Amino acid sequence: KAGVTQTPRYLIKTRGQQVTLSCSPISGHRSVSWYQQTPGQGLQFLFEYFSETQRNKGNFPGRFSGRQFSNSRSEMNVSTLELGDSALYLCASSFGPQETQYFGPGTRLLVL
Amino acid sequence: GQNIDQPTEMTATEGAIVQINCTYQTSGFNGLFWYQQHAGEAPTFLSYNVLDGLEEKGRFSSFLSRSKGYSYLLLKELQMKDSASYLCAALGNTGKLIFGQGTTLQVKP
Repeated sequence: KAGVTQTPRYLIKTRGQQVTLSCSPISGHRSVSWYQQTPGQGLQFLFEYFSETQRNKGNFPGRFSGRQFSNSRSEMNVSTLELGDSALYLCASSFGPQETQYFGPGTRLLVL
Repeated sequence: GQNIDQPTEMTATEGAIVQINCTYQTSGFNGLFWYQQHAGEAPTFLSYNVLDGLEEKGRFSSFLSRSKGYSYLLLKELQMKDSASYLCAALGNTGKLIFGQGTTLQVKP
């Protein structure tokens, strides 16, 4: 069974631009969660989607948004990029909410 | 509030046993997870505990005490490839998985 896939794997943007990251969950998984990982803050929860609905949201500004499609694929968008948004963005999928999450390889975003 | 505490760094010798501790405070409790993350890679799932006691899975075991808000990951017969960051994460009633900062384990020959 294929694992969680994320595209793109690497991305370089400049301040003020926006970016869209994509995540395809493991087949049969309907829940997708997003995390931001930085050396100083560790893994920080961004949001969780299940059946196209956002179930939970972390403490991030409104510039961070996401959505989930009917095939469970998910996207997250960051608008008006700041230098501090440079991080590894990880997507994790699970069969349903509160079940074991399996992570994708991540998208490494560098904001210049 | 919600908080996960684990040591920042640990060092152990190849072939030895190491125990990585984690204490947690969450709003409600629905399980404790351990993940392994090698440098530059994504976290991989190691174990899940929701009831008190020890769960053994090969060289790795995980223990949970709900009354003490405490868990540990035990790694036996350490190998060089076990050098990685070990992440403790608790699932509270909010449904959010809250991660600790991770413990970087260095295995030396």
